[in-house]
Amino acid sequence: RKEVEQDPGPFNVPEGATVAFNCTYSNSASQSFFWYRQDCRKEPKLLMSVYSSGNEDGRFTAQLNRASQYISLLIRDSKLSDSATYLCVVAQGGKLIFGQGTELSVKP
Amino acid sequence: GAVVSQHPSRVICKSGTSVKIECRSLDFQATTMFWYRQFPKQSLMLMATSNEGSKATYEQGVEKDKFLINHASLTLSTLTVTSAHPEDSSFYICRTGGQPNYGYTFGSGTRLTVV
Repeated sequence: RKEVEQDPGPFNVPEGATVAFNCTYSNSASQSFFWYRQDCRKEPKLLMSVYSSGNEDGRFTAQLNRASQYISLLIRDSKLSDSATYLCVVAQGGKLIFGQGTELSVKP
Repeated sequence: GAVVSQHPSRVICKSGTSVKIECRSLDFQATTMFWYRQFPKQSLMLMATSNEGSKATYEQGVEKDKFLINHASLTLSTLTVTSAHPEDSSFYICRTGGQPNYGYTFGSGTRLTVV
């Protein structure tokens, strides 16, 4: 079983759609959780940290359920510029464990 | 925020040659640098952790004699892929340690193609 597992993609959605990404992690001792965005052939960039209380940043909402070891990312009113690969990332003892990524393609 | 400069961004080399990738921290002292490899459509996999002035720690399955890491100063860490083979073709990327909630700083990555 992978340490961090994400929805297999790709997700192809029209502009304005709402899209949800799911992620599960296997190590209950994981300490911090993040969503990163990676554009093709580029480095990952932090989208948002994820907290148990849930957090929102504009059109993006992230949720963490420690009991279920589950993380989610919701994107509302998707834009063409949201097209990228979204990486679920879990921090364990100073190391970052990456999910395989879920590719999102937003079409006009 | 912290800036890490990684180069080259892209390199094509012949099989059997060695390639050195550099990551420089431009505005802070990076005591620790993490090196990752990413194959197409796959996640970033940690290869090794380098600490300034000491030997790197390699992840299971990563050959330390093939992937030489040097972290001789607080501003420079290097990864040398020795005797490169086509299967070493990948995206290599470094990142510093940092403040989790402010994000970790990644280099811009190096795309290595071995022909």
